[in-house]
Amino acid sequence: SQQGEEDPQALSIQEGENATMNCSYKTSINNLQWYRQNSGRGLVHLILIRSNEREKHSGRLRVTLDTSKKSSSLLITASRAADTASYFCATGDGATNKLIFGTGTLLAVQP
Amino acid sequence: DVKVTQSSRYLVKRTGEKVFLECVQDMDHENMFWYRQDPGLGLRLIYFSYDVKMKEKGDIPEGYSVSREKKERFSLILESASTNQTSMYLCASRLNTDTQYFGPGTRLTVL
Repeated sequence: SQQGEEDPQALSIQEGENATMNCSYKTSINNLQWYRQNSGRGLVHLILIRSNEREKHSGRLRVTLDTSKKSSSLLITASRAADTASYFCATGDGATNKLIFGTGTLLAVQP
Repeated sequence: DVKVTQSSRYLVKRTGEKVFLECVQDMDHENMFWYRQDPGLGLRLIYFSYDVKMKEKGDIPEGYSVSREKKERFSLILESASTNQTSMYLCASRLNTDTQYFGPGTRLTVL
């Protein structure tokens, strides 16, 4: 079952602009994670935010979490062509070993 | 760095063949996972294992089985491949944190 739904499905921006992707989920979570996938490759973990956190930063990445709205956003600042990839949110309930992934946002950064 | 490897990047098989997909991780992780990824559906969990010889069904186990004889190796088996099993297969592992580490993926085509 799909827990996370990303919005938009696709996003095209110019190099240097900021990119914002949103994720909504349905049930209670322990943590929410964002992963990146370059074309035809495996996923790479970017950042994890726990349910008792509201905001987290890592380099050019900023993640927010609003548990009352069951939503999260990923902001990539000063984007680069190398940021072109698909971005997935994934939720963990903390009780099982499983993550539930969304369908992803395809980001294209034009040089 | 954690390294997760998968036996093949690309694989072409015929309907009815038995197919083995191998995954190996080098970080002594207890938990390993098999996902399939299809356009518009995101990642869906097939099976996972939390210890040697232990396995649990994920969301879409039908038509698949798994084997975990050694801690570092988790195999996905398609007993009789069908065309609807054409997909990208991703293996992942984790220790006791929530982050999963992914292999590069195997793109399987069943003719």
